[in-house]
Amino acid sequence: GENVEQHPSTLSVQEGDSAVIKCTYSDSASNYFPWYKQELGKRPQLIIDIRSNVGEKKDQRIAVTLNKTAKHFSLHITETQPEDSAVYFCAASTHGQNFVFGPGTRLSVLP
Amino acid sequence: DVKVTQSSRYLVKRTGEKVFLECVQDMDHENMFWYRQDPGLGLRLIYFSYDVKMKEKGDIPEGYSVSREKKERFSLILESASTNQTSMYLCASSLGSYRVYQETQYFGPGTRLLVL
Repeated sequence: GENVEQHPSTLSVQEGDSAVIKCTYSDSASNYFPWYKQELGKRPQLIIDIRSNVGEKKDQRIAVTLNKTAKHFSLHITETQPEDSAVYFCAASTHGQNFVFGPGTRLSVLP
Repeated sequence: DVKVTQSSRYLVKRTGEKVFLECVQDMDHENMFWYRQDPGLGLRLIYFSYDVKMKEKGDIPEGYSVSREKKERFSLILESASTNQTSMYLCASSLGSYRVYQETQYFGPGTRLLVL
């Protein structure tokens, strides 16, 4: 079955710097890759997603890149702000069914 | 605005009890999911359902069963609760699958279950 690894497990950056979180997956059939942000005590919220027919997607300060050949995808957050502090999860899915999540990255943005 | 609700935010049960966790979505979504979330392990899929009365096992179905009698409601059942089932349980729903732009999952607020 699918296996998703995520690195780093924790990440601290200074406010205004960029943050990058990387994920790898094992199943070449996976074609949908969402990223979720979970603040303390709250439910996960989708922040961006990418499908296998696209190499990069951007939404304001957030971007995701996908390398299908290498089976890895990355989340890039630019100009980080304290409110970006949260746990971020990547996931892989085939046609929106069996989702497999990474273990999460705790991002701390230091003022 | 999609709303996914779960029957309880906190639940305390005893070992051996039968436990029901209920999830309801109000957006006519086809897919519904049950996850458990544990520190350092992320979210692990227990079961998902892509239609009424249809279910598929996820990565960790042992010790759990599910029921989907109506499209808007997806129940997770712990037949005989054990202490290793103490966890945060999250329900999610999505519009559908095999169709682009319908895979987005919306999560409920979670149920924190403690089994003593």
